[in-house]
Amino acid sequence: EPEVTQTPSHQVTQMGQEVILRCVPISNHLYFYWYRQILGQKVEFLVSFYNNEISEKSEIFDDQFSVERPDGSNFTLKIRSTKLEDSAMYFCASSEEHRPQHFGDGTRLSIL
Amino acid sequence: GENVEQHPSTLSVQEGDSAVIKCTYSDSASNYFPWYKQELGKGPQLIIDIRSNVGEKKDQRIAVTLNKTAKHFSLHITETQPEDSAVYFCAASDSGAGSYQLTFGKGTKLSVIP
Repeated sequence: EPEVTQTPSHQVTQMGQEVILRCVPISNHLYFYWYRQILGQKVEFLVSFYNNEISEKSEIFDDQFSVERPDGSNFTLKIRSTKLEDSAMYFCASSEEHRPQHFGDGTRLSIL
Repeated sequence: GENVEQHPSTLSVQEGDSAVIKCTYSDSASNYFPWYKQELGKGPQLIIDIRSNVGEKKDQRIAVTLNKTAKHFSLHITETQPEDSAVYFCAASDSGAGSYQLTFGKGTKLSVIP
């Protein structure tokens, strides 16, 4: 069964550094998403992406964050100038149409 | 915006018994309600979903019911097995305004005791 693949599984970064989280969505999917889950809290929507554009973003997704589809297979989330509170599990999801969304196994981001 | 509350936060059942997890949502415009299962070290896996034009949906041992008037929906797992042990998340979304973001509940940790 096709899967959403995320790398790395765990990323440790010094505060203030930039980090890029990578995702390979399911190949025939057209809609891409990033969510995050801070330990002990709900999974929260960050951004959705379609046709090389952001289609929707939450209040969390401020100028510190950006997304890109650099080629035909990858979808990335960049976090600039990381802060301690950016430590979380980041999930990528994709969908063929808007629903349903299929999730990857996540990247655990630890900011020191 | 949408708010989803999920209960209980933990649930222990004997193998073979049924498990019920309940969620309420705040936005009456929400029209899509998926349930995800998350095993340790894995991402959320979709197990069943329901749209607002349907009151109930079944898939083998799993069923979801939706009460739009009361704004709540429930996951029912019958004949539970140890492999059903996981964290279960409900979610809601409203496509009416062109938004497809999912709003999640906080999760229920289900333990099935052999």
